[in-house]
Amino acid sequence: DIQMTQSPPVLSASVGDRVTLSCKASQNINKNLDWYQQKHGEAPKLLIYYTNNLQTGIPSRFSGSGSGTDYTLTISSLQPEDVATYYCYQYNSGPTFGAGTKLELK
Amino acid sequence: EVQLVESGGGLVQPGRSLKLSCAASGFTFSNYGMAWVRQTPTKGLEWVASISTGGGNTYYRDSVKGRFTISRDNAKNTQYLQMDSLRSEDTATYYCARHHYGYTFDYWGQGVMVTVSS
Repeated sequence: DIQMTQSPPVLSASVGDRVTLSCKASQNINKNLDWYQQKHGEAPKLLIYYTNNLQTGIPSRFSGSGSGTDYTLTISSLQPEDVATYYCYQYNSGPTFGAGTKLELK
Repeated sequence: EVQLVESGGGLVQPGRSLKLSCAASGFTFSNYGMAWVRQTPTKGLEWVASISTGGGNTYYRDSVKGRFTISRDNAKNTQYLQMDSLRSEDTATYYCARHHYGYTFDYWGQGVMVTVSS
């Protein structure tokens, strides 16, 4: 199985900050990667698909980038409603999720 | 509005069976692949199984192959997950999800809890 390592596990940031979350695959996943947001008590929600495509209805402050084994999710200006856990997910081979980055407000 | 509503969860003894259902609405169900994803506090999110639009192709994670069966009824806009020979490690919240552009999940249900315990 392809292992997905997310860092940091917990991130504290202030409203308005630019935030970068990282996801590293154990092998090349050819940009076959999505990002999901999960708020407490809710189902995950698709933010970004195929590395850098913004899902319909998602604010433009969210963006994704990367290639090969290294991928990032960036929030350009953190908002209070962005407090959540963020998961990367690869579907290049034997779909797997990362363990998540919990984003908190400082 | 796309809606996915799971049902059928509950407490079941190890070795027994349970069948989950997912009722879909707000989109043309037969045009989309569907999936089940589960989540536990310890193992996190895990893809469980997927099914093609017509139901002819199914895919499973290794740990449930031979025990779980995904199926769908396009006339009823419903997909199912038959879970047999349940183990304690199958305890999780199970989400129904719609596939988008391959293996992406663009809509999720609210989840249903399955607890396997004696």
